[in-house]
Amino acid sequence: ELKVEQNPLFLSMQEGKNYTIYCNYSTTSDRLYWYRQDPGKSLESLFVLLSNGAVKQEGRLMASLDTKARLSTLHITAAVHDLSATYFCAVDTMFSGGYNKLIFGAGTRLAVHP
Amino acid sequence: EAQVTQNPRYLITVTGKKLTVTCSQNMNHEYMSWYRQDPGLGLRQIYYSMNVEVTDKGDVPEGYKVSRKEKRNFPLILESPSPNQTSLYFCASSSDRDTYEQYFGPGTRLTVT
Repeated sequence: ELKVEQNPLFLSMQEGKNYTIYCNYSTTSDRLYWYRQDPGKSLESLFVLLSNGAVKQEGRLMASLDTKARLSTLHITAAVHDLSATYFCAVDTMFSGGYNKLIFGAGTRLAVHP
Repeated sequence: EAQVTQNPRYLITVTGKKLTVTCSQNMNHEYMSWYRQDPGLGLRQIYYSMNVEVTDKGDVPEGYKVSRKEKRNFPLILESPSPNQTSLYFCASSSDRDTYEQYFGPGTRLTVT
């Protein structure tokens, strides 16, 4: 069974600090997605990582994918309050029906404080 | 504007009263999916559809039905809702041409008493 594990599940950060969220998964996959969810809102796509070694950056967030280690990281640089949200990673896998589907991690709730 | 819409956004109902949550997308996507979100469990897929008249079970299909008669619509049906179906539901769509990046609807918060 494919499992996607994120850690930490809760993260309280001080503004200006750096931190990394980890996403480990248990099966072979070349595609991984990061989403952001604000309280009471829907999920917004942040990054789509499509191959080993892929790195994407947007503002203070940078995501990378190591398919050999089955690991993706979401690095936060000089955190600001606006980054407070829940972040999900999701792994794309093909299963027996011949179709792909996404398996989501439990999410990392990030709170950035002064 | 490209979007996925869901209705209703909020619903409080009683056990056993059939309900339908509608989902519609205007991006001509082939792939559509329903998820439920519960605290600490992330998102779990209920049903998905690869195209018109093609649907299959996800990870937690019990108590739910779907249909895909038109490409743009993918309603979720709860024939006899129970309190354990109280949750936040999301519809999503994607094009399977390059990635399975999914675009999510605004969510439907369902409470079954």
